[in-house]
Amino acid sequence: EAGVAQSPRYKIIEKRQSVAFWCNPISGHATLYWYQQILGQGPKLLIQFQNNGVVDDSQLPKDRFSAERLKGVDSTLKIQPAKLEDSAVYLCASSLEGGNLYNEQFFGPGTRLTVL
Amino acid sequence: AQSVAQPEDQVNVAEGNPLTVKCTYSVSGNPYLFWYVQYPNRGLQFLLKYITGDNLVKGSYGFEAEFNKSQTSFHLKKPSALVSDSALYFCAVRDMAGYSTLTFGKGTMLLVSP
Repeated sequence: EAGVAQSPRYKIIEKRQSVAFWCNPISGHATLYWYQQILGQGPKLLIQFQNNGVVDDSQLPKDRFSAERLKGVDSTLKIQPAKLEDSAVYLCASSLEGGNLYNEQFFGPGTRLTVL
Repeated sequence: AQSVAQPEDQVNVAEGNPLTVKCTYSVSGNPYLFWYVQYPNRGLQFLLKYITGDNLVKGSYGFEAEFNKSQTSFHLKKPSALVSDSALYFCAVRDMAGYSTLTFGKGTMLLVSP
């Protein structure tokens, strides 16, 4: 079974530039998550999708971050404009979910973003 | 609000010795508890979870964890550590009641020396 795919793996940009990350979840997984992992901290949820609908985006900085999951499969997370404090690893995860909060999440390798 | 505490930034153990990585949690209801492991430049991998029932949960790679409701703890254990177990370990909690997101601890680096 193929895992969660993410691209790019690394990205370096100047502050105020824009950047986009792509994620393809495990086939059949209805729920998709984007996390931000700052060095030395645990992952923090940015947004959760159930199929193509947003379940939770309460911690997404909506003035600069946006995300979409068209057709309920792959997803894109965008930052525009980027700030220095956005430097982090952005992790995508998926799970069967469907209302079962005990389903484990499967993580992609992440995208390491450096904002200069 | 739910939270997870991993009190140790780093745990050092010699190969062949038992290891314990500590985790305590706080939720308003009953918890779903998870352990994940992260190797360098890789995403998190699921190790094990507690849903309900037996307090001792067995997972991947010989790891196990014990749920203790009175102490609100879910410590990760392994009887005999391997050098290849060296990695960053995250404990996470989700409240059973209603909708809640998965909240992670800050992680504990496990270093197993030969």
